[in-house]
Amino acid sequence: DAGITQSPRHKVTETGTPVTLRCHQTENHRYMYWYRQDPGHGLRLIHYSYGVKDTDKGEVSDGYSVSRSKTEDFLLTLESATSSQTSVYFCAISESVFRDLDGYTFGSGTRLTVV
Amino acid sequence: GQNIDQPTEMTATEGAIVQINCTYQTSGFNGLFWYQQHAGEAPTFLSYNVLDGLEEKGRFSSFLSRSKGYSYLLLKELQMKDSASYLCAVRDAGSNYQLIWGAGTKLIIKP
Repeated sequence: DAGITQSPRHKVTETGTPVTLRCHQTENHRYMYWYRQDPGHGLRLIHYSYGVKDTDKGEVSDGYSVSRSKTEDFLLTLESATSSQTSVYFCAISESVFRDLDGYTFGSGTRLTVV
Repeated sequence: GQNIDQPTEMTATEGAIVQINCTYQTSGFNGLFWYQQHAGEAPTFLSYNVLDGLEEKGRFSSFLSRSKGYSYLLLKELQMKDSASYLCAVRDAGSNYQLIWGAGTKLIIKP
């Protein structure tokens, strides 16, 4: 009954190949986010979306693109994967930027390894 | 610039109390969040503070002092299941109200 799912959960890919990660929500939340999490760093925002076809860059957006053609799906694409993009990727959703009673809800994460 | 600082790791004893500190510098403070993250899992929301003072939720409490750029998460009656990383995040008006995250504090509970 998870309101947010990520796929795949694990992926190994080769340097230079494109990779797409999917985030799917059933909560009808407006905001969706892609983060990466690396040891010694906090979660870092890659891109976020505030509605269908409305997206914006985060602090580490270079090498990544996103698309949101439906409310429920937010796709993250690594255009040409590099070893520095080996990371755990989390998708998150929120009903509103200022809805704070519940915070963000995170997906289970995708562990991506670029070899 | 923006900066969130937390201790990297802390150790505490089952049944005891532990306080995890977070200091921050942002251009436009607009709320502070605490999340819990067990190893290999997703972060889960614990608490939110936007005004100075203490917010209590069962065994967990969170405190905020905006003038000092300081917050702490207080965990009482520690249980083994509290072994996790605790993430501090600040919503920053200067970053389109997005969250700026600390690196997290790994809390180890010993019997």
